[in-house]
Amino acid sequence: KAGVTQTPRYLIKTRGQQVTLSCSPISGHRSVSWYQQTPGQGLQFLFEYFSETQRNKGNFPGRFSGRQFSNSRSEMNVSTLELGDSALYLCASSLGQMANNYGYTFGSGTRLTVV
Amino acid sequence: TQLLEQSPQFLSIQEGENLTVYCNSSSVFSSLQWYRQEPGEGPVLLVTVVTGGEVKKLKRLTFQFGDARKDSSLHITAAQPGDTGLYLCAGVGRDDKIIFGKGTRLHILP
Repeated sequence: KAGVTQTPRYLIKTRGQQVTLSCSPISGHRSVSWYQQTPGQGLQFLFEYFSETQRNKGNFPGRFSGRQFSNSRSEMNVSTLELGDSALYLCASSLGQMANNYGYTFGSGTRLTVV
Repeated sequence: TQLLEQSPQFLSIQEGENLTVYCNSSSVFSSLQWYRQEPGEGPVLLVTVVTGGEVKKLKRLTFQFGDARKDSSLHITAAQPGDTGLYLCAGVGRDDKIIFGKGTRLHILP
């Protein structure tokens, strides 16, 4: 079966712009979580959506937002981009809420570079 | 704040050697997961351990969850170049939030 698909794979944006990243989870998975990965901080949790509802949120500013559609596809948006937003953004889907005992299936990520 | 500390941060060893990496916390987790990530890809789930003291084996990899469910270890026997990657542990803690360690970057020299 198809894995978790993230688009685009690479993105270069200018400070102040906004960006939208997309994630299609594994068929049947209703939970989608987003993580930011940087060399210094590792994987930082952004938010989790389950059945179109945001169920958990990490400690990121309001410039980071997301949503989930009825087909479980999810998007995350970052407005007013800053240089420090440069990172690998990973989407993860799971069968149950917040992975728990099922674990995550991650996509390959979107590499965002802000210049 | 729940934290997971992984050690060592970096490890470079010869093919055929054994190694152990650690994942420690002062917090209790209901379960713990191990992932391996290769450059340019997302992490891939290796195992989930749930019960204190649980040991799981995956070919040459042995995972152990501490009795108090605060720590875990990953032991690799006879390491091979294909084991190279970033190993991440992730604990399921309070409010079902998943906390990731910063990882151990493992390099196996042929």
